[in-house]
Amino acid sequence: DTAVSQTPKYLVTQMGNDKSIKCEQNLGHDTMYWYKQDSKKFLKIMFSYNNKELIINETVPNRFSPKSPDKAHLNLHINSLELGDSAVYFCASSQGGVRHEQFFGPGTRLTVL
Amino acid sequence: GENVEQHPSTLSVQEGDSAVIKCTYSDSASNYFPWYKQELGKRPQLIIDIRSNVGEKKDQRIAVTLNKTAKHFSLHITETQPEDSAVYFCAAIWRNTGNQFYFGTGTSLTVIP
Repeated sequence: DTAVSQTPKYLVTQMGNDKSIKCEQNLGHDTMYWYKQDSKKFLKIMFSYNNKELIINETVPNRFSPKSPDKAHLNLHINSLELGDSAVYFCASSQGGVRHEQFFGPGTRLTVL
Repeated sequence: GENVEQHPSTLSVQEGDSAVIKCTYSDSASNYFPWYKQELGKRPQLIIDIRSNVGEKKDQRIAVTLNKTAKHFSLHITETQPEDSAVYFCAAIWRNTGNQFYFGTGTSLTVIP
C-alpha cells in the first residue's frame, strides 16, 4: 500500500549510458514531480507535471525528460549520463498542485562511473 | 528562479532547548510556505505549512511564523528531542515560472541528549 514508489532504489551505470527511473503513485493525485538531491543535500525541482501542463526548471539539461504514460506514473529518462548526474532522485506527488502537501517516494540513488 | 535563503545551515541544540530556522524568499506573490523534515537516508516529509493569509500556525511543539512584508518565515521547535535531529527544508513557490516549487538549502539540526 505504498503511496509513492520508485524503481530502482539504486542505479549504478557508466558515463554515456541512457537510463530510466520509474515512479508510481496510488494516491489519485493529479500532479507529480521530480527532484534532484545532490551530495550537499540541496533539493532541486526538475519537473512538475499534471495532465494539463509540464513545467520544466530551466536549469535542467535536455538530456532529462519526463514521460507520463498515465496519471499515476511519471518516469524520468536520462540520456548520455554524465558524472555530475550522480545524485538521489526523488519523485513526489500532490493533489491540487504545488500549494498542497507533496508526498515523496523513497528516492533512487544514481551513481555514474 | 525563486531565491529561498535558509539559515543556519547547521544547528546544534541541547535536548529540551528551542531551535529556530529562518528563511527568506524573493517572490512577493508567493502564498504557500511548507516545511519538510528529512531524516538520514529517508524521504522528505511535510511537518507543517502556512499560507499567506495567516501569520502563525502551531502544531504541538512546532510552529511557523510568516512576515509577508519582510518576506521571511521561520520554523520554531520547542522542547527539542533527539528524534528531531534531521535536515529541515523550507520552501516557497515561484509564480513567474508557472508556480514552480523551490526548496531552501536545508538546515541540519542535531539535538544533543
